[in-house]
Amino acid sequence: AQSVAQPEDQVNVAEGNPLTVKCTYSVSGNPYLFWYVQYPNRGLQFLLKYITGDNLVKGSYGFEAEFNKSQTSFHLKKPSALVSDSALYFCAVRDGDDYKLSFGAGTTVTVRA
Amino acid sequence: DAGVIQSPRHEVTEMGQEVTLRCKPISGHNSLFWYRQTMMRGLELLIYFNNNVPIDDSGMPEDRFSAKMPNASFSTLKIQPSEPRDSAVYFCASSFRREMNTEAFFGQGTRLTVV
Repeated sequence: AQSVAQPEDQVNVAEGNPLTVKCTYSVSGNPYLFWYVQYPNRGLQFLLKYITGDNLVKGSYGFEAEFNKSQTSFHLKKPSALVSDSALYFCAVRDGDDYKLSFGAGTTVTVRA
Repeated sequence: DAGVIQSPRHEVTEMGQEVTLRCKPISGHNSLFWYRQTMMRGLELLIYFNNNVPIDDSGMPEDRFSAKMPNASFSTLKIQPSEPRDSAVYFCASSFRREMNTEAFFGQGTRLTVV
């Protein structure tokens, strides 16, 4: 069985400061990891994914994520947050050949000016 | 490409009425997912189709829910009869399943309110 945990319901940062959104996962096979962002009244938008290879993955809008196998984590990061980054962020995982994409509960990010 | 298209965007209906939600996946995609999003439960997978065939419907909450995919470019999710607890945002997503590393693309969602 696969699962994802986002330990923080909310993250608040000041504009220009680094932003980190945490995610840990549990799988029995090889993990395929994804980050999505959801703006109010919108669908989920794909940000980035880790499949294999380099542990640091770069994605859209200046976001990146670091895969850490020993800690089973895939934290999302942005060096300098913008007010427009305020949104709901979801981490998701696929377990090996399983088609099912399991989502975390989501983390609300608020970036204050 | 216009992306995944869902209709209607908003639906308000009375308890007991039939509701049909529609989805047009991205052209060329062969996998389709229906999700439901609520504050209490977050994102729940309801059903998954591959090549128009339902593969896993274990997430469908009750017999009142049914989904079809008559062809590669259209899917419906029907609730009959609807109940207030069905109120949620329903998302359709599609992907190209050749390997498990492909991401899913989501529609804008249908906000359903059952009164």
